[in-house]
This record gives sequence, C-alpha cells and structure tokens, in this order.
Amino acid sequence: KNEVEQSPQNLTAQEGEFITINCSYSVGISALHWLQQHPGGGIVSLFMLSSGKKKHGRLIATINIQEKHSSLHITASHPRDSAVYICAVKRGGTSYGKLTFGQGTILTVHP
Amino acid sequence: NAGVTQTPKFQVLKTGQSMTLQCAQDMNHNSMYWYRQDPGMGLRLIYYSASEGTTDKGEVPNGYNVSRLNKREFSLRLESAAPSQTSVYFCASSGLAGVYNEQFFGPGTRLTVL
Repeated sequence: KNEVEQSPQNLTAQEGEFITINCSYSVGISALHWLQQHPGGGIVSLFMLSSGKKKHGRLIATINIQEKHSSLHITASHPRDSAVYICAVKRGGTSYGKLTFGQGTILTVHP
Repeated sequence: NAGVTQTPKFQVLKTGQSMTLQCAQDMNHNSMYWYRQDPGMGLRLIYYSASEGTTDKGEVPNGYNVSRLNKREFSLRLESAAPSQTSVYFCASSGLAGVYNEQFFGPGTRLTVL
C-alpha cells in the first residue's frame, strides 16, 4: 500500500463546477504539499500546509493532521485548471526536504 | 531569475551509452534533488543533496551517480544507460535543509533509452 494515496485518479468536470481532490497518508508528517503539473510537464508548487487551511485565488487546501487527510478544492473550475494534481508529504523527523508523492489526480475541465 | 534550469530537454540514448543531466538553480537554495517520473508510479527520489558538499541516496539510486558541483549545480549521471531508465527526470531545489519550505522544480528532461 502506498504511503500517500490520492482519489480520484481521474476526474472530469464541466466548467464552473466545484472540484475536490483528496489525499490520505499513512505516515507521520511535518507538512504536506499540493503540486500542479500541466500537460507541458512543468511542476509548480501550489500549497504547503502543516495545519488548517490555505486559500489562493480559486484554490483552497485543507489538512486534518489527526485524520491524516488533506483536500484540494477548486471553485468555479475552468478549462485552464486541467492538469495533474499531486499530493506530497514531508515525513516528520527528517531534517531534509525529502518528499513522498502520491500518484496524482488527472483533472480535465470541459468548457 | 530563471529558477531551476535543466539541460537537455530531450535525449535519446542507446543501451550502454552514458550521459549527464545538468541542473542549476539561481535562488541560492541549499538543497537540491533529482526525481524520476514514470507512468503510474508518481515522482520518485533518485538522489538528493541537503547542502553543498553532501549527497545521499533516495528511493531509486541504482544506475545513477550525482555530483554537487557547487551550490548552484547538481548533475545526474547515467554511466551505462538501460531501457528501464527511460523516464522523465526532474531536478528540484529548496531553501534550507533544516527548515521546511517548498520545492521548486525544473522543466524536466525526457530521456529515452533504446
């Protein structure tokens, strides 16, 4: 079983829909990342969370440390949000930035 | 600032050939990383360098070597390429090893080994 599991693996939405991508992990962590990978391949960090909630534009990320779960929400989705969204965790107790990655969620937003 | 740059962007090798993937960052980051990304596998850490002068194995180091040439540059070498090393390779960097912060990724190198 992977230490970081994302669901769903594939997600199709219509423009304007509210989208949720989930990430569950089985190890103790000190922080969690959400990353975005566009069809061109580049990877961009969206959020870094250790507790609570963060918002940037139409994107909201939440984390529940006790339940070992995080969600990424996209409000008013747009075709340009189509990308792979990747959850990654930094294990607690490590003194360097090694991350463990989920397999990604492929999001397609249709006009 | 260019951020994290990688060269080349694409490469085709024959089995047994060697090559070096180059990575450089201009953000004065201490830590640098090499990942590979394969379909269905997610990103996996090959090697990392927590700070200049140090390197350590990650999850999948076999068949690779690295050099942290200076604070800016971190190269990945394939001494004898194998088809199993066909993948997309990403370099990343982050600020301080002891202080948690986000990682910045390069654009990737798509490598095919025939």
